[in-house]
Amino acid sequence: NAGVTQTPKFQVLKTGQSMTLQCAQDMNHNSMYWYRQDPGMGLRLIYYSASEGTTDKGEVPNGYNVSRLNKREFSLRLESAAPSQTSVYFCASSAHRGTVSGANVLTFGAGSRLTVL
Amino acid sequence: AQTVTQSQPEMSVQEAETVTLSCTYDTSESDYYLFWYKQPPSRQMILVIRQEAYKQQNATENRFSVNFQKAAKSFSLKISDSQLGDAAMYFCAYRLDAGNMLTFGGGTRLMVKP
Repeated sequence: NAGVTQTPKFQVLKTGQSMTLQCAQDMNHNSMYWYRQDPGMGLRLIYYSASEGTTDKGEVPNGYNVSRLNKREFSLRLESAAPSQTSVYFCASSAHRGTVSGANVLTFGAGSRLTVL
Repeated sequence: AQTVTQSQPEMSVQEAETVTLSCTYDTSESDYYLFWYKQPPSRQMILVIRQEAYKQQNATENRFSVNFQKAAKSFSLKISDSQLGDAAMYFCAYRLDAGNMLTFGGGTRLMVKP
């Protein structure tokens, strides 16, 4: 099925360890996003990439880095994990603004639950 | 900065009944989009309905409809003939027409009683 694929689905880390969350979409979307979801706070944008080769900070970028490897893939890296980064992470993508129908609608992955001890 | 507020942390509805979820937002812009997303226990975010701010007509998708009040900055979701499969977290979201950031509310957990 076409869509957004995230890996891994679950991960447990110790404080100070590093890891990378992978995201890939096969819908030929230009824009990709990383959100985190914490109880009672909805989803907050960490970083986004409006197009291949560009990345921008969102609302809560501290402690994270991203790489837009190509049009399909957008990874999120935690260099030194902290307990405050325990969360559920969602990758999403959207068609470029101005295209028919898909503009402004985000398609989300299934989420990755990260626990930092 | 734009903010989105969902004042109902939890709502409950009897199967086959109608329920309305509230959402208000704050913006100084005139062109924007509003969305309702559903998140079932599987955690995947599913688009339910969207509304373009320039359209006066309220959006409708089968049993789901919105009441968009632009002047009041209100965007409520009405679910008719509620089904057990409607039980989920519902998030209201806002996005500028020219922007890339989707701003979410805190969510409303909807429970459907058989």
